[in-house]
Amino acid sequence: NAGVTQTPKFQVLKTGQSMTLQCAQDMNHNSMYWYRQDPGMGLRLIYYSASEGTTDKGEVPNGYNVSRLNKREFSLRLESAAPSQTSVYFCASSEATATYEQYFGPGTRLTVT
Amino acid sequence: SQKIEQNSEALNIQEGKTATLTCNYTNYSPAYLQWYRQDPGRGPVFLLLIRENEKEKRKERLKVTFDTTLKQSLFHITASQPADSATYLCALSNDYKLSFGAGTTVTVRA
Repeated sequence: NAGVTQTPKFQVLKTGQSMTLQCAQDMNHNSMYWYRQDPGMGLRLIYYSASEGTTDKGEVPNGYNVSRLNKREFSLRLESAAPSQTSVYFCASSEATATYEQYFGPGTRLTVT
Repeated sequence: SQKIEQNSEALNIQEGKTATLTCNYTNYSPAYLQWYRQDPGRGPVFLLLIRENEKEKRKERLKVTFDTTLKQSLFHITASQPADSATYLCALSNDYKLSFGAGTTVTVRA
């Protein structure tokens, strides 16, 4: 089992460009999450999907959109990148609610210039 | 708004000693508290989960306490080893969403 995979690992964008971060899990988990991690601030939830077909905003959703393509895949889109979106992005999945542990991917390091 | 605070300073300890990390929270009544380990350049890895009605939980050399009156969790690594060097994150939840602290970096000297 690969667990949670993310692509790409690194990306540099210019301000105003768009891109999609891909995430897939092979553990048959119901819930999936997107976080961003900035120095000194910890992980902050951008969006989550409690189950296939549903998505909800987290703490910092502005400037992002998500798609739960199927049970395995959950993508994060930046429509018009801004320097404030420079961060490390992590995708995670869990069996159901946060009573279960979350499994994290390796992260995508995004720089917006 | 809710706030989660972990030891603001990094922890440097001698191999074999016990490392104790704190996680304090305000404006929140979590039902669950989790601890994760994160190595540089990698995603967090789950370590332990403790429920609000549990006072203490152990796993090998790790021990977690959860005091809902003090609004505090303590995380202990006993008989620490250089391989325990990492950043440790606490996370609180009531439902689907986890709220994370900024983490405490632990360095264990041989």
